[in-house]
Amino acid sequence: EAGVAQSPRYKIIEKRQSVAFWCNPISGHATLYWYQQILGQGPKLLIQFQNNGVVDDSQLPKDRFSAERLKGVDSTLKIQPAKLEDSAVYLCASSSFTGLNQPQHFGDGTRLSIL
Amino acid sequence: KQEVTQIPAALSVPEGENLVLNCSFTDSAIYNLQWFRQDPGKGLTSLLLIQSSQREQTSGRLNASLDKSSGRSTLYIAASQPGDSATYLCAVRRRAGKSTFGDGTTLTVKP
Repeated sequence: EAGVAQSPRYKIIEKRQSVAFWCNPISGHATLYWYQQILGQGPKLLIQFQNNGVVDDSQLPKDRFSAERLKGVDSTLKIQPAKLEDSAVYLCASSSFTGLNQPQHFGDGTRLSIL
Repeated sequence: KQEVTQIPAALSVPEGENLVLNCSFTDSAIYNLQWFRQDPGKGLTSLLLIQSSQREQTSGRLNASLDKSSGRSTLYIAASQPGDSATYLCAVRRRAGKSTFGDGTTLTVKP
C-alpha cells in the first residue's frame, strides 16, 4: 500500500511570510495527525482529525496556524505569518480507525526553514 | 501532564552487541506505547506497538517490554548491525487518543 505522502519536502521562507503544507494519508485511514518536530526533539502533536472533524488542537498556535481536512481525506496545514521559531520538520501521520490500538504511519515530512 | 523521557540521548556500540534502549513515562494511565525508528531526513517508521494489557511484543531481533506500574518500557535489540543506526523514539498514548513522544535515543552501531 502507498504510504503517507507529503509535499513539499523542503521550504525556505522569510519571517512574516505564509506557507502551506499538504498531506495525503494512507487510503482508508480516518485519523490524520500533524506534528511539529524541532531538531533534536520528539514530534509534538499540533492537530488530530477524525475524518474531517477536529479531535484535538490544544497545542496548535491558532493565532498563526490553521489546518483543514476537507472531505476527510487530504489535509493542509498553513502558517501565517511565520516566525523564526517555526523552523522545524512538519510531519503528517495517519492511522485507521478501528480503535486506538492502531499504529500511526508517518510521511517523510516537510522541512521548513525561516530566514 | 504526561512526560516521556529517553535516556541516554545517544549510544554507540560495536556491531554484534545486544543493547537496551529505555523509555520512562510519568502517567501510568496509558492506552498503548509505540516504538519508532527515524532515519536522518525521514519520517518515523513504526517498529512495535504494545497495548496496555500486554507485557511485551517481539519482531525479529527486536523485543519491547512494558511495565505500566513503574512507568517504563525497554526496547531490546539483539545482535546489532550497522543498519540499525538511527534515532529510536517511544510514544505513549493516553485514552483520549493523544500521543506524547520522547526526544529519542540516537544509536550508532560501529562495524
